[in-house]
Amino acid sequence: AQTVTQSQPEMSVQEAETVTLSCTYDTSESDYYLFWYKQPPSRQMILVIRQEAYKQQNATENRFSVNFQKAAKSFSLKISDSQLGDAAMYFCAYRSAAFGNEKLTFGTGTRLTIIP
Amino acid sequence: NAGVTQTPKFQVLKTGQSMTLQCAQDMNHEYMSWYRQDPGMGLRLIHYSVGAGITDQGEVPNGYNVSRSTTEDFPLRLLSAAPSQTSVYFCASSYSSGVRSDTQYFGPGTRLTVL
Repeated sequence: AQTVTQSQPEMSVQEAETVTLSCTYDTSESDYYLFWYKQPPSRQMILVIRQEAYKQQNATENRFSVNFQKAAKSFSLKISDSQLGDAAMYFCAYRSAAFGNEKLTFGTGTRLTIIP
Repeated sequence: NAGVTQTPKFQVLKTGQSMTLQCAQDMNHEYMSWYRQDPGMGLRLIHYSVGAGITDQGEVPNGYNVSRSTTEDFPLRLLSAAPSQTSVYFCASSYSSGVRSDTQYFGPGTRLTVL
């Protein structure tokens, strides 16, 4: 079974600075997806960024980028120029690429605080 | 396009009561699922469906029933609520291409308290 580990329960960063959230996973599969979801106080789960394991290039979405290290099974999220609106819980998630195996396996989350 | 909608947003039940959490999506997604979120545990899969008439169990199915009579709707039923079912419930859906599947999108969640 796949597992996802987020070892940082809480992180904080000064506004406009850069912060990196860590995620490691364990799987025997070679083809899969990795995601970062953001959950603000509104409780809504918002997709931040997605990475396909077969792609060597790291995904980027504006101020958000990932460092995907397949051999090390590591998938960290970098937030540049942190803004107050980035304050939220961040969840790393894994999903197999096999058709019919849509289950998302989540980490326990990292609570990010932005210091003005 | 409303995306994934869930009702109600909040619910308080007494032990032993039954209720149905509603989930609907208007994106013609084949895949739908229910997760529960408990403090310190992330989200865990309860049940899922790959299309109308097809459902299967996830990681924590006990105490919950589902059915999928249409592509749009995927209700979650609690037959006899227990305090251990106090949680936040999320419905999610995605479009499955048959070859590679798409990202799952989540509803706004239902906070359920069982007394």
